[in-house]
Amino acid sequence: DQQVKQNSPSLSVQEGRISILNCDYTNSMFDYFLWYKKYPAEGPTFLISISSIKDKNEDGRFTVFLNKSAKHLSLHIVPSQPGDSAVYFCAASARTGANNLFFGTGTRLTVIP
Amino acid sequence: GAVVSQHPSRVICKSGTSVKIECRSLDFQATTMFWYRQFPKQSLMLMATSNEGSKATYEQGVEKDKFLINHASLTLSTLTVTSAHPEDSSFYICSARDRGRARTDTQYFGPGTRLTVL
Repeated sequence: DQQVKQNSPSLSVQEGRISILNCDYTNSMFDYFLWYKKYPAEGPTFLISISSIKDKNEDGRFTVFLNKSAKHLSLHIVPSQPGDSAVYFCAASARTGANNLFFGTGTRLTVIP
Repeated sequence: GAVVSQHPSRVICKSGTSVKIECRSLDFQATTMFWYRQFPKQSLMLMATSNEGSKATYEQGVEKDKFLINHASLTLSTLTVTSAHPEDSSFYICSARDRGRARTDTQYFGPGTRLTVL
């Protein structure tokens, strides 16, 4: 049972424009969310996270928005750069329990120069 | 900070042999390390959670006798794939939690190991 879902397997965006990657979750116990970026044949790189007490967290060109009522989060990249082309995974964890991360299936972002 | 290394990055072995993969946290101490497996075009699948000084916790469906995990120190965990078979060919990734951080959910990943069993 996939508790974290990324329904768009791929996304193409023009350089300089905004990239919006979406993620939905089903477990209401999740209270911490993360985005990772992954290049082929490499491990994921931590990008940005957000706690459920917030609805927005910003770090440079990356902003994560959390809508708890909709169980939805999104990652905005502005402006998009060719180097952002990678697979982006969202992940979630719950404070109770083992704090293990549950990953989505990833969205491949291609930024077109 | 929060660098995790993995060795080897790529290994090719014959069926029936055993392969050891090392995961090290280079600039922090990790009380917990995780081992994931990723199949092509699929998400990361957690195989096991490794706690320093105790036995690993395996996810359902993962054979603990086949995938031996040892977490001997706060900076090193090893995964040994015993009697490897072609279906074990995959991309194995480790991650670690930094014990020094207040909220320890964030995991830092190694670069992964591509295992090919002939």
